[in-house]
Amino acid sequence: QVQLQQPGAELVKPGASVKLSCKASGYTFTSYWMHWVKQRPGQGLEWIGEIDPSDSYTNYNQKFKGKATLTVDKSSSTAYMQLSSLTSEDSAVYYCARGGLGLHWGQGTLVTVSA
Amino acid sequence: DILMTQSPSSLTVSAGEKVTMSCKSSQSLLASGNQNNYLAWHQQKPGRSPKMLIIWASTRVSGVPDRFIGSGSGTDFTLTINSVQAEDLAVYYCQQSYSAPWTFGGGTKLEIK
Repeated sequence: QVQLQQPGAELVKPGASVKLSCKASGYTFTSYWMHWVKQRPGQGLEWIGEIDPSDSYTNYNQKFKGKATLTVDKSSSTAYMQLSSLTSEDSAVYYCARGGLGLHWGQGTLVTVSA
Repeated sequence: DILMTQSPSSLTVSAGEKVTMSCKSSQSLLASGNQNNYLAWHQQKPGRSPKMLIIWASTRVSGVPDRFIGSGSGTDFTLTINSVQAEDLAVYYCQQSYSAPWTFGGGTKLEIK
């Protein structure tokens, strides 16, 4: 059974960075791309990008280049997304989602940017 | 980027009724090589993460009730829910994976009377 574990929440200060984690289990981590999606409160879904865990090849939505950096740790089957230079516009829920046939979603991490 | 447009933005129905919602893409999602439409539908219940319902425009994911039916091809797609249940209260999103960046529709919010 595919499981993607994400921390529930992160509180960060404006201008800082945060590194979000997504620990995968129930499947072979290196066999499926991992995607990241942003959802602002009460808003729709935005695709940030994807990473191939087998070789760390990445594709980014142009909108998030320079904002998001995707990495993986194969030894722990964990995907990461670092968000930099945070502003209030970055306050959102961030989901990781396993690719393959469609998207299998994690529970999401609520990032709140506040002083 | 491929623009995904959903309509209506919201609808209210009584339990047991049939619901139809639309999703249109700004370019065809039909791959000539395998004849698959790269269109998925996701359901997001209040306070929950999204859940995939349908892939390839019309293939239900394992465990999804058969009252959920996806149809369409090319640029026009439909999600039909036969005999809506109270538990179907949610926002429904279509999403294309034909080309990067993957994009989502704005969602259709389904409310139950």
